Amino acid sequence: DAMVIQNPRYQVTQFGKPVTLSCSQTLNHNVMYWYQQKSSQAPKLLFHYYDKDFNNEADTPDNFQSRRPNTSFCFLDIRSPGLGDAAMYLCATSRGQQGNEQFFGPGTRLTVL
Amino acid sequence: AQSVTQPDIHITVSEGASLELRCNYSYGATPYLFWYVQSPGQGLQLLLKYFSGDTLVQGIKGFEAEFKRSQSSFNLRKPSVHWSDAAEYFCAFVDSSYKLIFGSGTRLLVRP
Repeated sequence: DAMVIQNPRYQVTQFGKPVTLSCSQTLNHNVMYWYQQKSSQAPKLLFHYYDKDFNNEADTPDNFQSRRPNTSFCFLDIRSPGLGDAAMYLCATSRGQQGNEQFFGPGTRLTVL
Repeated sequence: AQSVTQPDIHITVSEGASLELRCNYSYGATPYLFWYVQSPGQGLQLLLKYFSGDTLVQGIKGFEAEFKRSQSSFNLRKPSVHWSDAAEYFCAFVDSSYKLIFGSGTRLLVRP
């Protein structure tokens, strides 16, 4: 089945230690999104790629970076995680036309010690 | 301003009872509307979507939603709730930049 895969599902890191979260998709969608979701809140968009075009949200901290080496893969790098970065990180994809829905991965739960 | 309002933070219903989750949107045109469901510790799953045409849309798991332009609403309904429906429900629309604008979510609790 075509899907969005996130690895790892659970990630524990130490305060200030860089961490990378991975997302891959078999849907061949040209748009990929990264969201941060804290407990009992809606997902908050961090950035998205439209093909190779990177789009950063204005309020996304500089601590968060992303890479998309090819259509199928996208990475979220957190350079120096703080306690406030502990959250669920969701990857999503879409076909990049306004009416098309986003397909979400299962998420990576990040814990910062 | 573009926004989605889900006025109910929590709703509790008995298993077998009917359900309606409210959603109102603010947008300059008729948006593309979605309902997503999220079980604890999981990603979001699309329940249904409205783009145009018939204002009553059917989704998965027995859910339906009705678009009412005059009320700027897109309420989600289910005639008989099952215990497995307990989850968080998000209403959303896509804006002109392909971004999903989410409501704050409604947590559904199901009494046995």
